[in-house]
Amino acid sequence: NAGVTQTPKFQVLKTGQSMTLQCAQDMNHEYMSWYRQDPGMGLRLIHYSVGAGITDQGEVPNGYNVSRSTTEDFPLRLLSAAPSQTSVYFCASSQTGHGYTFGSGTRLTVV
Amino acid sequence: DAKTTQPPSMDCAEGRAANLPCNHSTISGNEYVYWYRQIHSQGPQYIIHGLKNNETNEMASLIITEDRKSSTLILPHATLRDTAVYYCIVRVGGNKLVFGAGTILRVKS
Repeated sequence: NAGVTQTPKFQVLKTGQSMTLQCAQDMNHEYMSWYRQDPGMGLRLIHYSVGAGITDQGEVPNGYNVSRSTTEDFPLRLLSAAPSQTSVYFCASSQTGHGYTFGSGTRLTVV
Repeated sequence: DAKTTQPPSMDCAEGRAANLPCNHSTISGNEYVYWYRQIHSQGPQYIIHGLKNNETNEMASLIITEDRKSSTLILPHATLRDTAVYYCIVRVGGNKLVFGAGTILRVKS
């Protein structure tokens, strides 16, 4: 049981490049979310999903896309990377009535 | 916006109980209170959650006031490894968690 797995752990992008942050969970959880955390700040919700085929926006969705084609996977796509997207990204999953399990994060730098 | 208010920082002596307060005066009747902590730059770790009644698990106790407008997380015997940022969160619709700034707890020997 691996929990929530995020890849890659580190990434450097040039401005304007696109990429996908991967998130997978093996706990058959319904809910999955993406957060970003900037230095010295709390986590901000980007997008979330309540089940396969269902996604919705969080607090800071601009510049990001998500899809949920399977229960296990919830990838986050950066369409055209900007320096303002330099951050640590966390993926999380949960089952109804339980706490979220977070991944170890992806540290993204956009230059 | 976060629906909770926490002190920015607290200190606690090692071995003593750490009591972390949280105000959530606008909480709705069916909204749960969750507590997480984040050590260094790791992913947040779930601690405990509750609705109305007090809750206890192997990590901590959660005391919720009768009017549900505030709660207290209690770490009964704090250790140096409990030094972290502690987040009190009210779960909003769709199982979303909206994080605030949290409380930096420093456990000192």
